[in-house]
Amino acid sequence: SQQGEEDPQALSIQEGENATMNCSYKTSINNLQWYRQNSGRGLVHLILIRSNEREKHSGRLRVTLDTSKKSSSLLITASRAADTASYFCATPRGGTGRRALTFGSGTRLQVQP
Amino acid sequence: DTEVTQTPKHLVMGMTNKKSLKCEQHMGHRAMYWYKQKAKKPPELMFVYSYEKLSINESVPSRFSPECPNSSLLNLHLHALQPEDSALYLCASSQGFQETQYFGPGTRLLVL
Repeated sequence: SQQGEEDPQALSIQEGENATMNCSYKTSINNLQWYRQNSGRGLVHLILIRSNEREKHSGRLRVTLDTSKKSSSLLITASRAADTASYFCATPRGGTGRRALTFGSGTRLQVQP
Repeated sequence: DTEVTQTPKHLVMGMTNKKSLKCEQHMGHRAMYWYKQKAKKPPELMFVYSYEKLSINESVPSRFSPECPNSSLLNLHLHALQPEDSALYLCASSQGFQETQYFGPGTRLLVL
């Protein structure tokens, strides 16, 4: 089964609104990462939050991590049309000591101008 | 320089062809990865290289053959592929296995 599941699968909002995406995972982790992918392109790393952190900010991005619920959320404030993309969470495979990441199912965000 | 480059950008091949995908990074990263991604799906891990040695093979069919000639280069050799192998192939690198991964733009592969 997938380590990370995201919801919603798709989200459509107007420019200027906030967008929130959620990620759930199954095993203990050292960190959780969020990536963005524009259509048909490579993934771009957005933010990494470690297991001892509860919240992290980067520009218009805010990520929270709740290790007790094994969940994370990504908030994009004041969205722009350029934020239209797919967003994936990623966690270390099989727990804390594995040599790869597993990507969640992703949220496709559409920001209408 | 945080760039990972991949060539070619697009590739069309027949089922009897042999082709290679190339990936290059100059960040001194010790881990390099190949992923396969189908439309509207997350990337699926294929191979992981650590210090130029194959560390993980996710039970990938032998028609895909990875190679790491040196610490900066990663190849994926393709032979006798099937139409269902058509996908976006992504290369990535990272300093540590659980740290930030830097992705190339991908190779869009179509198998006829």
